[in-house]
Amino acid sequence: GAVVSQHPSRVICKSGTSVKIECRSLDFQATTMFWYRQFPKQSLMLMATSNEGSKATYEQGVEKDKFLINHASLTLSTLTVTSAHPEDSSFYICSALGQGGGAFFGQGTRLTVV
Amino acid sequence: DQQVKQNSPSLSVQEGRISILNCDYTNSMFDYFLWYKKYPAEGPTFLISISSIKDKNEDGRFTVFLNKSAKHLSLHIVPSQPGDSAVYFCAARGNAGNMLTFGGGTRLMVKP
Repeated sequence: GAVVSQHPSRVICKSGTSVKIECRSLDFQATTMFWYRQFPKQSLMLMATSNEGSKATYEQGVEKDKFLINHASLTLSTLTVTSAHPEDSSFYICSALGQGGGAFFGQGTRLTVV
Repeated sequence: DQQVKQNSPSLSVQEGRISILNCDYTNSMFDYFLWYKKYPAEGPTFLISISSIKDKNEDGRFTVFLNKSAKHLSLHIVPSQPGDSAVYFCAARGNAGNMLTFGGGTRLMVKP
């Protein structure tokens, strides 16, 4: 089946620094990838839709200058949390659309900002 | 306004019995529905899906039922196993795009 690899799985960073999270589709090309955020005991909240070769589409309330998304190739999308603060600590998950229409998810990244 | 709702935040079932997880939606433009299973600190894994042209889809111990008139779908797991203990999300996709809208999730606990 389709595999999506997300890296790193866990990261701790200091407040004010930036963190980059990578999402790769390993055995298929994904023109569209999605970035989600999950707060404890809450559902997955869509942050943005990443389209290869064009600007990402952000959901309402998501700061595009803070959460930079780059989808430079058909197999890689990156999410950079800039000037991270403790309230950005969360579980971030990417997903990529397969040809059959299903969404395949990465393993997730636990970000802790101290 | 939540377009996809899972009204039961948790469900406890005895091993071997049937688990029924419910999901309601409000957007009649949704045409494809999916169920995902999620363990803590991991990404969701795809379980089973159903197109709006069907009312039932079965895969091993998992069966999804869709009632379009009621805008309701359910996931049946039978027999339930302790390894099924996880959070289950239903998701819906509209025919206008590829974005998934998730429900709030139901935590299933299967007791040995």
